[in-house]
Amino acid sequence: QQQVKQSPQSLIVQKGGISIINCAYENTAFDYFPWYQQFPGKGPALLIAIRPDVSEKKEGRFTISFNKSAKQFSLHIMDSQPGDSATYFCAASKRRSGGGADGLTFGKGTHLIIQP
Amino acid sequence: DTAVSQTPKYLVTQMGNDKSIKCEQNLGHDTMYWYKQDSKKFLKIMFSYNNKELIINETVPNRFSPKSPDKAHLNLHINSLELGDSAVYFCASSPQGQANTEAFFGQGTRLTVV
Repeated sequence: QQQVKQSPQSLIVQKGGISIINCAYENTAFDYFPWYQQFPGKGPALLIAIRPDVSEKKEGRFTISFNKSAKQFSLHIMDSQPGDSATYFCAASKRRSGGGADGLTFGKGTHLIIQP
Repeated sequence: DTAVSQTPKYLVTQMGNDKSIKCEQNLGHDTMYWYKQDSKKFLKIMFSYNNKELIINETVPNRFSPKSPDKAHLNLHINSLELGDSAVYFCASSPQGQANTEAFFGQGTRLTVV
């Protein structure tokens, strides 16, 4: 059972264009939705994250849109640059009753290529 | 001053061997994790450990065992290695707190079982 579904699996965007990656989740107990960026040979690094009490969060060229009723969230990369070429993962987690959080449940990743 | 460091970065070993991967974090975090990234890049949590409680993903074989000598370290021991264990293993840490926050990942250990 895949609790976080991510699409597309791969994406090619021209430099300066908008990259859009979508995710859908099933578990309504999830309350934290981060996006991670991973370059080859490196560990994932947090790009931007959102909590379900807001519908949108923007940091620089990166925006998360969140639709709680539809259980969907998406990453938009504006003015995409060749340096943005990487694998992007959406994820979700929920709090634990004793404090802290469960580990992240990841989507399957999107391989993004920005063509110069 | 690496935040989460893992050793070794590469590990090649034969089937049936026992191996360990070490992880250390200098962020003062309370919770540490091990994730497995398979050949298709799918990341899946194996364990979370917060110095008091170990949460094991039920799909992880009991050949895998985390060991934490102190709050800053969470090592991964693997017994009787199998070909299917070949993957990249990531250690991560996060503060416990009351709300979910960023998890910091190490650089990964690429394990190849031959």
